[in-house]
Amino acid sequence: KAGVTQTPRYLIKTRGQQVTLSCSPISGHRSVSWYQQTPGQGLQFLFEYFSETQRNKGNFPGRFSGRQFSNSRSEMNVSTLELGDSALYLCASREVVTDTQYFGPGTRLTVL
Amino acid sequence: AQKITQTQPGMFVQEKEAVTLDCTYDTSDPSYGLFWYKQPSSGEMIFLIYQGSYDQQNATEGRYSLNFQKARKSANLVISASQLGDSAMYFCAMREDQAGTALIFGKGTTLSVSS
Repeated sequence: KAGVTQTPRYLIKTRGQQVTLSCSPISGHRSVSWYQQTPGQGLQFLFEYFSETQRNKGNFPGRFSGRQFSNSRSEMNVSTLELGDSALYLCASREVVTDTQYFGPGTRLTVL
Repeated sequence: AQKITQTQPGMFVQEKEAVTLDCTYDTSDPSYGLFWYKQPSSGEMIFLIYQGSYDQQNATEGRYSLNFQKARKSANLVISASQLGDSAMYFCAMREDQAGTALIFGKGTTLSVSS
């Protein structure tokens, strides 16, 4: 089976812009979660989508949003970018039976 | 309070030696899962091993084993016969049933394997 894919792998944006990141889960997985990784805060949970519904949300401002499509692909959007949004954004798809999350390679976002 | 604590910022080991990476956790949820992930410099998080709170036996996956001591709330990762390719950041993570599927991560331990 193909693993989790994320596009793009690298992004450079400027403050105030918005960005959309994409994640395709492992075939058959219906749950997709997003995490932000920064040197200062470490790995933090953003939100989880299951069957097109947001089931869980971390402690992030409303500028961070997401959605999931009927084919389980998910997008994450960050509006009005701030310098502090520079991070590695990781997407994970969850295998329900083993409750294990498998991560993609991440999108490295740099905000200038 | 930290829910996942990894006290070793860095560990150094020689090839073929065994190494233990420490992880302690804090939860009042009786049902939880503990995970270890490896993150090479490329950035991808690679799943290594899982231990459920009700599992009676310690989990093992190839060269990886999880030393689960429930009363002490510790879930240490043991890597036997280290290889150069094991050099990476290692993260311990927990999922609490009451909190859904969100993983809570520790700050990680950098493992360096030398020849």
